[in-house]
Amino acid sequence: QVQLQQWGAGLLKPSETLSLTCAVYGGSFGGYYWNWIRQPPGKGLEWIGEIHLSGSTNLNPSLKSRVSISADPSKNQFSLNLNSVTAADTAVYYCARRVVLSAYGLWGRGTLVTVSS
Amino acid sequence: QSVLTQPPSVSAAPGQKVTISCSGSSSNIGNNYVSWYQHLPGTAPKFLIYENNKRPSGIPDRFSGSKSGTSATLGITGLQTGDEADYYCGTWDSSLSAVVFGGGTKVTVL
Repeated sequence: QVQLQQWGAGLLKPSETLSLTCAVYGGSFGGYYWNWIRQPPGKGLEWIGEIHLSGSTNLNPSLKSRVSISADPSKNQFSLNLNSVTAADTAVYYCARRVVLSAYGLWGRGTLVTVSS
Repeated sequence: QSVLTQPPSVSAAPGQKVTISCSGSSSNIGNNYVSWYQHLPGTAPKFLIYENNKRPSGIPDRFSGSKSGTSATLGITGLQTGDEADYYCGTWDSSLSAVVFGGGTKVTVL
């Protein structure tokens, strides 16, 4: 059974860079778009962006200037970097596998990232 | 504010039916497929519906999806206590060039 396991720093100071990694276990890394989605406390879901094995990425224009998503197919992993974080970036961050456009069939358990001075 | 509008909460007794609406516009729901997710806090969201009305393997037919114009609906029949969760709709927004989600609807089983 395919599983996504994610990790990264959970507490950041303003202006620091958020870094999260998601590993794919029990399944193929190729052929899918791998996504990052977040949920601020008490709010709805927000799509951050995605990467394909080919290296192509699609990013939410609202975050594009601060976001980079990379992949390491040799490790079946993909990563998210979000720079210059503020309190508004406090959220639970999820990695997810896209099935078809805007449909996510497999999710990680989420990582709470808190930005506080 | 979320791009897609959902009611904050719905409720019904066990065994009854609930419907959750998801309202958008021609740039999102009106011209793109809708997906639905069930989310219990602290857990990974669960994939319920894709392409408006298709259920992934393992999702019971108590869950159904539909779309009409710029709105979509998730229906849950034979409501169970285990269905208590937050439910989200999502779709592509062609104007924003981004996937957008609703604000979520909390389902309570009375």
